[in-house]
Amino acid sequence: SAVISQKPSRDICQRGTSLTIQCQVDSQVTMMFWYRQQPGQSLTLIATANQGSEATYESGFVIDKFPISRPNLTFSTLTVSNMSPEDSSIYLCSVDRKYTQYFGPGTRLTVL
Amino acid sequence: TQLLEQSPQFLSIQEGENLTVYCNSSSVFSSLQWYRQEPGEGPVLLVTVVTGGEVKKLKRLTFQFGDARKDSSLHITAAQPGDTGLYLCAGVSPKGKLIFGQGTELSVKP
Repeated sequence: SAVISQKPSRDICQRGTSLTIQCQVDSQVTMMFWYRQQPGQSLTLIATANQGSEATYESGFVIDKFPISRPNLTFSTLTVSNMSPEDSSIYLCSVDRKYTQYFGPGTRLTVL
Repeated sequence: TQLLEQSPQFLSIQEGENLTVYCNSSSVFSSLQWYRQEPGEGPVLLVTVVTGGEVKKLKRLTFQFGDARKDSSLHITAAQPGDTGLYLCAGVSPKGKLIFGQGTELSVKP
């Protein structure tokens, strides 16, 4: 299994500001994934973060809006930049271990 | 683009009733997974079905993968209030990506 923690668990932010979300895994993993779960909707993959290389973004998501860092094999950050109310969502990180995806508890973001 | 249609979106039932959640697609998936998510937590994997026609049981939960590997169902027998939560199906694409359905919000009232 994998134990994943995220910080912050929730935040309320003003339009135009940025928020960095941290994800910590209890053991080393090659890939970490960042998802967005909008209110009443399902999970959408934002990007895949590999240690030592640039993140791979899915269609509709760009690095300027969602910069990602992956400084080591147990940690990653996702920044939501220049936020608008449409960015209000739950942001989740996850890792894949032996064909099972483990998710963090999520960061609930509200943008006013 | 591979899509998964999940139904129903909302389900409110009494304790002891049975229910079925459906997950359908026009695309073939390598495998299909079912997750349960509680408020304030991330999704937790319940089961992975891999073979067309496969049926897996997890206590009162029965999962079935369609013969063509395009659809799946989750059946809960004698639902209990502890079953309340968001149920998500997710197909694993040939490239290994998870594609989630919209989710089913289940509420089981005592």
